[in-house]
Amino acid sequence: GAVVSQHPSWVICKSGTSVKIECRSLDFQATTMFWYRQFPKQSLMLMATSNEGSKATYEQGVEKDKFLINHASLTLSTLTVTSAHPEDSSFYICSANPGLYTEAFFGQGTRLTVV
Amino acid sequence: RKEVEQDPGPFNVPEGATVAFNCTYSNSASQSFFWYRQDCRKEPKLLMSVYSSGNEDGRFTAQLNRASQYISLLIRDSKLSDSATYLCAVNLNTGFQKLVFGTGTRLLVSP
Repeated sequence: GAVVSQHPSWVICKSGTSVKIECRSLDFQATTMFWYRQFPKQSLMLMATSNEGSKATYEQGVEKDKFLINHASLTLSTLTVTSAHPEDSSFYICSANPGLYTEAFFGQGTRLTVV
Repeated sequence: RKEVEQDPGPFNVPEGATVAFNCTYSNSASQSFFWYRQDCRKEPKLLMSVYSSGNEDGRFTAQLNRASQYISLLIRDSKLSDSATYLCAVNLNTGFQKLVFGTGTRLLVSP
């Protein structure tokens, strides 16, 4: 199946710093990618839809200035958590589809710990 | 009311048991339905798509009931390796898979 690669797998950062997470589609082009967040023992919550060449679409309650999304190419979307705080500690996962109405493939996820 | 609801469990069953999970969704416009499996600290992986006619893949059977707005997953002859969290997901008819997930149901299969 299609491959979506996410990097880094885990990261620890200090409060107030920014962290960038990359999501790459390795064997297909993705004009749209999705970013999810999952807190312990909770479900995956959609944060935003990343659109190649245009602004991301954020879900209600997600701060666009805090979670910066850039989708500059057909194979790469990045999520930057700015001025991270301990409450941002979570599991962040991206997904992408090889085409319309096809299965969604997920990245391996990034476990962010803010200390 | 949550868009997608599941019993969080855990469901503790012995090997060989049959176990069923249900998931309800609130938006009647939902078009696509899926069951994902998620192991601890890993990304979700697609287990099955769910069709109105029902579908089966080995020990796993998925059903969709549009009238009552729920989907189900049946696992027969449970294996230890089936221990995981099972997430149902719903797509509101967007071409790309913008999925709304349930909280997941945790299954523990014991020897």
